[in-house]
Amino acid sequence: DQQVKQNSPSLSVQEGRISILNCDYTNSMFDYFLWYKKYPAEGPTFLISISSIKDKNEDGRFTVFLNKSAKHLSLHIVPSQPGDSAVYFCAASDGQGGKLIFGQGTELSVKP
Amino acid sequence: GAGVSQSPSNKVTEKGKDVELRCDPISGHTALYWYRQSLGQGLEFLIYFQGNSAPDKSGLPSDRFSAERTGGSVSTLTIQRTQQEDSAVYLCASSSFRGSTDTQYFGPGTRLTVL
Repeated sequence: DQQVKQNSPSLSVQEGRISILNCDYTNSMFDYFLWYKKYPAEGPTFLISISSIKDKNEDGRFTVFLNKSAKHLSLHIVPSQPGDSAVYFCAASDGQGGKLIFGQGTELSVKP
Repeated sequence: GAGVSQSPSNKVTEKGKDVELRCDPISGHTALYWYRQSLGQGLEFLIYFQGNSAPDKSGLPSDRFSAERTGGSVSTLTIQRTQQEDSAVYLCASSSFRGSTDTQYFGPGTRLTVL
């Protein structure tokens, strides 16, 4: 069973516009959520995180929103840049052992 | 400072051979994790070490997989009698472990190809 789901395998956005990447989860015990960005042939790079006690966290062009009742989180990138083109993974933790449960990733393409 | 490093970056092996993959975590990080990413899939948790505690091996797919962490630092993931389905990118991560708000930092991975 897939506890963390990213239902869109790919997303294409015009440079300067907003990119919205979505993630759904099923386990109500998850209390910490992260977004990672991955370029080809490189390891995932931490982007932004949010604790379950918050519903929004912002860092520059990146904002993560958490809707606990819907078990849904999203990553907003504004404005999108060509260098943002990568695969984005959302991940969740229940804080019990540190291991992360990852979604399958969404490949973002930002076109000039 | 230096990030997580892994070696080798690529490994091609024949079915049935044993392989060892190495991970050097960020200095001072007490927690170390192994994940793998098969083609087109997300990252799959394999094993987790935290300090001197017994490792969480709940993600290891079979008894052909094992890992150790020596001196609380370097870790080696060993796959015995490799199979073609073991082909994947094996990723190591480390963290300073702050409980529920832990952020893991990943190495570049080892791409394993089993022929």
